[in-house]
Amino acid sequence: DGGITQSPKYLFRKEGQNVTLSCEQNLNHDAMYWYRQDPGQGLRLIYYSQIVNDFQKGDIAEGYSVSREKKESFPLTVTSAQKNPTAFYLCASIGTGPEAFFGQGTRLTVV
Amino acid sequence: AQRVTQPEKLLSVFKGAPVELKCNYSYSGSPELFWYVQYSRQRLQLLLRHISRESIKGFTADLNKGETSFHLKKPFAQEEDSAMYYCALSGLQGAQKLVFGQGTRLTINP
Repeated sequence: DGGITQSPKYLFRKEGQNVTLSCEQNLNHDAMYWYRQDPGQGLRLIYYSQIVNDFQKGDIAEGYSVSREKKESFPLTVTSAQKNPTAFYLCASIGTGPEAFFGQGTRLTVV
Repeated sequence: AQRVTQPEKLLSVFKGAPVELKCNYSYSGSPELFWYVQYSRQRLQLLLRHISRESIKGFTADLNKGETSFHLKKPFAQEEDSAMYYCALSGLQGAQKLVFGQGTRLTINP
């Protein structure tokens, strides 16, 4: 079953802790993206990567970090520096065509 | 800077009425514009893109470079059109930074 998979679906974090969200794709896509979705604010770009071992900051990168060691994986770490991490996080990938394929999302809650 | 603005957070129309979801953009280069849709409990998915100039599920969108707009239109709304709609922009060349607008929740009333 080809596609893009995010895990876990729900994640709870204590204040001051770092947490890593997983995003895996088996579509052989080069480009991958992380977005944060908040009510009334749409999708805001956190980080994106167009190729392995390279990534760029999006519009709201502060408090987040990523890595792209493998083509199929683009994990996002929400660090303790992120002041308001409670949100819904979406991962996407793009191949040779322009269409972005999205995961089901991870809902992160700080408790 | 790339920016997409959707001025309406909520839009409610009656079944059979025309629908127009507004999208304005800011981009210094040659843009590629998209509309994505998210139905209840489904993943965000591509609805249409300006380059293909096609009609999908009765929806069309025309890129107006003079007004920097890419409004989504449908002449006769159907109940199954109720969803969250996002306008998105990427550059045609160079880094493919894909940015989205704030989204418009469309509700079709019976």
